[in-house]
Formats: sequence, C-alpha cells, structure tokens
Amino acid sequence: QITLKESGPTLVKPTQTLTLTCTFSGFSLTTNTMGVGWIRQPPGKALEWLAVIYWDDDKRYSPSLMNRLTITKDTSKNQVVLRMTNMGPLDTATYFCAHTGLYDSTFDHWGQGTLVTVSS
Amino acid sequence: QSVLTQPPSASGTPGHRVTISCSGTSSNIESNVVNWYQQLPGTAPKLIIWGNNRRPSGVPDRFSGSKSGTSASLAISGLQSEDEADYYCVVWDDSLPAWVFGGGTKLTVL
Repeated sequence: QITLKESGPTLVKPTQTLTLTCTFSGFSLTTNTMGVGWIRQPPGKALEWLAVIYWDDDKRYSPSLMNRLTITKDTSKNQVVLRMTNMGPLDTATYFCAHTGLYDSTFDHWGQGTLVTVSS
Repeated sequence: QSVLTQPPSASGTPGHRVTISCSGTSSNIESNVVNWYQQLPGTAPKLIIWGNNRRPSGVPDRFSGSKSGTSASLAISGLQSEDEADYYCVVWDDSLPAWVFGGGTKLTVL
C-alpha cells in the first residue's frame, strides 16, 4: 500500500525559503520507473505542478518556477525534499506530494497535503 | 490562465450522464495521454482516468475518458450525489516542457 505524507512549516515569512518533506512508504525510489512529484493548490484555485524526481535522479521542474525550486531524494529515509526560495504571498497554497510510476507517468497516489501560508 | 481549458462548472441530475471537456493544443493533448482527477472538498485529488481512457482499479466503470485531436472528455454516467466534486484534466506539454493542469470543473449534482 502506497502512502505519502507532507511535512513542513505552516507559516513562512516573505523572502524566506520553504522546505517541505515528503515521507513515503509502500515503494522504493530505487525501483525502475518510480518517482515523486510536488503539486500545489492555492485556496480556491486550480492545481499547479511544481517538480518531480525519478528513481534514476532525473529531475524536472516547472519552467515558471525552476529558478526557485530544488528537489532531492533520500532513498535511505524514503523521503523527498522540495525547497522553494524567495517565498511570497502568492505562494500560499496547499502543497501535495504524489507518487508516479504505477500507471504510466501520471501521479497515482497523493499525500493529504499541507497548507503553507506566506505572511509577515 | 491554464494551458488546458475546462468549463468552470457542470451539472446533472442523479442517474443521468454528464461530460466535462478539456481543450488543449498539439503540444499537449494531441501528443500525449490525458489523465483525470476527482477532488472531493477538502481532500487530495484522486486519479480516476489515466492513459486517456483507462481506469485505475477500484474506480467505477461509470467513469470514462476519451480523446480526439486536441480535446479530451470525461464522461460520468449514472450520476450519483457522491460524484459532486472538482474534476481536473492533466497532460504533459512537450513545448514547455511541463505537466499542465486544466483550470478544473466543479460538478454539481442537482
């Protein structure tokens, strides 16, 4: 059974760096085709893909945010970490991590999400 | 403004059929497979259609997907009250390159 859970601060100040951790179980990021991605959703708005990292350490980023994002994995801890620099009010959103690899490359299992508010 | 265009709302009565459209371009929908998510209020999205028209295990066959050219559709037949949710299409865009989501469609069961 695949499960994922996001953790990190619920409140960050403008210009600070956000660090979110996705802790997962039920699969290994050393297995061919497996990956973990991050998607966010501002309150009342649509989903927005941020980044994904694969079993072979291939990384892809949203073009509009790639200069602010870093995604890394720790296979020994079953964790994926997303860092987003220079946070602003428009970055207030629920951040989800999700597994990819069971059904082609789509995101098939999602964490519950964590709400991050950017405010001074 | 989303790269994929969905109607903001849709509605139907219990037992009836409703379709939700997703319009894109040659660099996304026409070139790659479309996936659909259902998001119930306050919960994470759930994959209901992958690979244009395939259902993950556990998803009822009332849900179906199709694609033609630069457009895709999600159909829900035998509408039930628990189908009331937001629905999102998503596809990889070769030109960006990036995963792109539609703006979402809020389905109301009357």
